[in-house]
Amino acid sequence: KAGVTQTPRYLIKTRGQQVTLSCSPISGHRSVSWYQQTPGQGLQFLFEYFSETQRNKGNFPGRFSGRQFSNSRSEMNVSTLELGDSALYLCASSLGPGTGELFFGEGSRLTVL
Amino acid sequence: GIQVEQSPPDLILQEGANSTLRCNFSDSVNNLQWFHQNPWGQLINLFYIPSGTKQNGRLSATTVATERYSLLYISSSQTTDSGVYFCAVRTGFQKLVFGTGTRLLVSP
Repeated sequence: KAGVTQTPRYLIKTRGQQVTLSCSPISGHRSVSWYQQTPGQGLQFLFEYFSETQRNKGNFPGRFSGRQFSNSRSEMNVSTLELGDSALYLCASSLGPGTGELFFGEGSRLTVL
Repeated sequence: GIQVEQSPPDLILQEGANSTLRCNFSDSVNNLQWFHQNPWGQLINLFYIPSGTKQNGRLSATTVATERYSLLYISSSQTTDSGVYFCAVRTGFQKLVFGTGTRLLVSP
């Protein structure tokens, strides 16, 4: 079956712009979580959604937001981009919140100039 | 929150050698996974192993939950094993917390 799909895979933005990233989970998976990976901070949790509700949130500013749709697909948005937002953004899906194995997509690599 | 430490941070091996990667965590967990991050950044699932021992080909893993550590064994290493190996844990309904990784380089 198809894995976790993230789009776009690569994108370049300038400071001050906003960006929206998309994640389609594995069929039947209802929980989606997002992670940011940077060389300096490693892999950091952003948020987790289940049944269109945010269940957990990491320590990121309010510029980072997300949502989940009724078909379990999720989007995350970063507004007023800063240079430090340049990172690999990874999405993971699992059957339910807080339980079971997580499967990751290939990631969206964002560069902010 | 829960702390996850991985060792060693870097490992250089010759092809054919065996290695052991370690993951220590500071609290009881209900989820522990090992991942291999490929050069393009994707996290490849190796093991879902909150307790016990599992094997998959040349790789095996053991988690001793009562002593709060997990080990990943790589036998007869190949150049394609190169990359970063992450351990990640979750306690209760909390977020998945990653270790800082072990960077493995296997030379021919």
